[in-house]
Amino acid sequence: DIQMTQSPSSLSASVGDRVTITCRTSQGIRNDLGWYQQKPGKAPKRLIYGASSLQSGVPSRFSGSGSGTEFTLTISSLQPEDFATYYCLQYNGYSPTFGQGTKVEAK
Amino acid sequence: EVQLVESGGGLVKPGGSLRLSCAASGFTFSTSNMNWVRQTPGKGPEWVSYISSTSSYIYYTDSVKGRFTISRDNVKDSLFLQMNSLRAEDTAVYYCVGDFGSSTNPWGKGTTVTVSS
Repeated sequence: DIQMTQSPSSLSASVGDRVTITCRTSQGIRNDLGWYQQKPGKAPKRLIYGASSLQSGVPSRFSGSGSGTEFTLTISSLQPEDFATYYCLQYNGYSPTFGQGTKVEAK
Repeated sequence: EVQLVESGGGLVKPGGSLRLSCAASGFTFSTSNMNWVRQTPGKGPEWVSYISSTSSYIYYTDSVKGRFTISRDNVKDSLFLQMNSLRAEDTAVYYCVGDFGSSTNPWGKGTTVTVSS
């Protein structure tokens, strides 16, 4: 199975800050990676698919980059509604795996 | 509107069985690959099972192989997960999820399964 290493596990930031979260995979997955946002009691919501394609309806302050084994989610200017937990997901092959999650908290 | 609605969760004793259902609407279910994903409170999501649009390809995570069976009914736009020999570690919220590689990837709101004596 492909192992995911997501970092950091948590971060503290202020509204307006630029936030970057990274996922590394144990083997190359081309661009078969998505980023999800989850708020308490809700299902995960996809922000990015194909490593860099913005999901319809998602604000443009969210962006994704990378290919192969290293991927990044960037929030260009953190908004109050962005405090949440973020997960990466690789879907290359027959056993999708999620990252461990990054909790974005208010500083 | 694209919608996935799960049902069938509940409290069951270890060793028992449950059958989860997912009703799909607002998209062409019959051509969509589908997944079940579960999540234990305080932990990240875990992929459980996949079924291709025509049921030709089916995959499971190792921990449920031989105990869970995924199936679908493309006439009734429904997805199922038959769960047998349930264990405490199967306790989770179970989500019905569309194809991870598609441009939509809908998720249901989830149904809670609790395995406890």
